[in-house]
Amino acid sequence: AQTVTQSQPEMSVQEAETVTLSCTYDTSESDYYLFWYKQPPSRQMILVIRQEAYKQQNATENRFSVNFQKAAKSFSLKISDSQLGDAAMYFCAYRTPYNNNDMRFGAGTRLTVKP
Amino acid sequence: DSGVTQTPKHLITATGQRVTLRCSPRSGDLSVYWYQQSLDQGLQFLIQYYNGEERAKGNILERFSAQQFPDLHSELNLSSLELGDSALYFCASSPGTSATDTQYFGPGTRLTVL
Repeated sequence: AQTVTQSQPEMSVQEAETVTLSCTYDTSESDYYLFWYKQPPSRQMILVIRQEAYKQQNATENRFSVNFQKAAKSFSLKISDSQLGDAAMYFCAYRTPYNNNDMRFGAGTRLTVKP
Repeated sequence: DSGVTQTPKHLITATGQRVTLRCSPRSGDLSVYWYQQSLDQGLQFLIQYYNGEERAKGNILERFSAQQFPDLHSELNLSSLELGDSALYFCASSPGTSATDTQYFGPGTRLTVL
């Protein structure tokens, strides 16, 4: 069964600094997609970034980038120039067309940004 | 704003009761997904509908059911409610059924069972 593990329940970063959130997943499939979602105090789930497993190039969205290591089944999120508005729960998620297309989420990492 | 709407925002009810949660997908999206977020289970996929038909099932209890109507809005029905059903219920939508489709989440419905 596909599982997603986020080993850091909480992380803290100083404003303007860089932080990396870790995510590993377990799968035997070759075709899958990985996502990072942000959940601020408002509880809304917001897509931050996505990565297709067949793409070797790491995805980037402004200050957010990923380090996708397919062989190691690792998918970390790097937030550069952290801002106060980045404070939220961050969820790593996995989806494959071979398992009902359902999205599997990690337990989340709570990110605190210190001014 | 994702374009996905959910009503109500909050719902407080008693054990044994039945409630209905409503979701309207983004304009043009044919797929609707329901998720449950609880403290002990995290975020779990419940069920997916595509253009009115059930497409995929996750960890949905038999006491729960859903449907998608011709206008594409969806309802999640929870019956014989238990304390453990207290959670945040999200609806998400996407254009189709592909795993590549991005899912856009609604603001959620907070259900409290007393």
